[in-house]
Amino acid sequence: DAKTTQPNSMESNEEEPVHLPCNHSTISGTDYIHWYRQLPSQGPEYVIHGLTSNVNNRMASLAIAEDRKSSTLILHRATLRDAAVYYCILLDSGAGSYQLTFGKGTKLSVIP
Amino acid sequence: EAGVAQSPRYKIIEKRQSVAFWCNPISGHATLYWYQQILGQGPKLLIQFQNNGVVDDSQLPKDRFSAERLKGVDSTLKIQPAKLEDSAVYLCASRNIRQAKYGYTFGSGTRLTVV
Repeated sequence: DAKTTQPNSMESNEEEPVHLPCNHSTISGTDYIHWYRQLPSQGPEYVIHGLTSNVNNRMASLAIAEDRKSSTLILHRATLRDAAVYYCILLDSGAGSYQLTFGKGTKLSVIP
Repeated sequence: EAGVAQSPRYKIIEKRQSVAFWCNPISGHATLYWYQQILGQGPKLLIQFQNNGVVDDSQLPKDRFSAERLKGVDSTLKIQPAKLEDSAVYLCASRNIRQAKYGYTFGSGTRLTVV
């Protein structure tokens, strides 16, 4: 399985943008880049995903490098409710099983 | 749409006892997963079902763990006998096969403490 590398932790001030980086240098052509987040005492929650182009939804934006070896999850205005562990995961659409393999993720702290 | 339901929310048992967890996925989701999450780590896949058949159970410790998904809807994960290292949160997730590239939906999990 292709692997991702994320910082262990990051901090952000409330109402400021947050850029969460992810490196995936061994990504293959059929790998989708997925982001999930896990709030305290809850199961992981889908945030966003993309293949090649940048993506936006109501929760966040995903910026994908042209060579696809890295990506950045962007929270436009961090709130206290965004404090969570964020996981960057490669999902192989060619494998058929669509299994999510989680790393340790990035723990985001939001400072009031 | 209703989410993935799991019960119980918490369970404390003594080592060598048995325990069972229940999961009701989102209606119509053919694929169901059980994950184990040890404190401070990301979730680890235990088993994947497609309808009522097992797709992948390669990481399930079969000497003590078992799972079933009768009729392709609800699923039960059992541990017998439990060990101290089984203390973890057990998460159930489901996915719509017709939206294969899209997200999983996870339940809130069952927190198991083995003493």
